[in-house]
Amino acid sequence: AQRVTQPEKLLSVFKGAPVELKCNYSYSGSPELFWYVQYSRQRLQLLLRHISRESIKGFTADLNKGETSFHLKKPFAQEEDSAMYYCALGMPDSWGKFQFGAGTQVVVTP
Amino acid sequence: DAGITQSPRYKITETGRQVTLMCHQTWSHSYMFWYRQDLGHGLRLIYYSAAADITDKGEVPDGYVVSRSKTENFPLTLESATRSQTSVYFCASRGEGITSGELFFGEGSRLTVL
Repeated sequence: AQRVTQPEKLLSVFKGAPVELKCNYSYSGSPELFWYVQYSRQRLQLLLRHISRESIKGFTADLNKGETSFHLKKPFAQEEDSAMYYCALGMPDSWGKFQFGAGTQVVVTP
Repeated sequence: DAGITQSPRYKITETGRQVTLMCHQTWSHSYMFWYRQDLGHGLRLIYYSAAADITDKGEVPDGYVVSRSKTENFPLTLESATRSQTSVYFCASRGEGITSGELFFGEGSRLTVL
C-alpha cells in the first residue's frame, strides 16, 4: 500500500542554520512527489514538486527513487520559514489521489 | 472571488446533529477532494470526486456523505456528528493544464462536536 512517512513531528532550528525535513514514501507505481506548506492562519499551498526541479524560497528537494525519499532542504533558515510542512505523494494511476504525510512543524528562532 | 471557498469557516455542533460543509470552486476542475487534518495524522482523505456525479471513498469515509451534482460544488455532510469528527476539514481541487497535479486548497472549516 502507498505510504508517506515524515519522521519528525517538530523541527526547531536557529535562524541561519540549515534545515532538512525528511520524507520517505512507498508506492508501486510512478510517483509524483510534492511539498506543501501551511503558514500560520493561511491555507495549504504548494511549495515544490519533484518534476520542476526548481528552488522555491531557497528550498530544494530531490527525488531519490533508490532510497524512496524526497527530503526538503534549505541551507539558511529564516524566521518566515516557520510553518507546517507536508510531504505528499501523487498517485496518477489511482484517480489522481494524493497521500499526505503526518507533517513536520518547523520553528525557526532568532 | 476566483478560487476555492469553504463555508462555514467555524462550526460548533452537538453529537448526533447533521452538519454540511460547503465547498465551491470557480475553475471547473474535474477532481475535488475532502481531507481532515488532525494532529499526528496529517491530512487524511475522506472522499474524492473525479467529475460531477462521480464520487468515491477515501481513507476515512465512515460517517460522511458527499454529493457532486455540479462540477463547482462538493459538499460534505456528517449525517450524525460524533466527537471523533472534531477536526479541521479541507476541500481541494486538482489543477489542470499548466497547473496539472497541483492541489488547490480552501481555507478550511474548523468543526467542533460537543
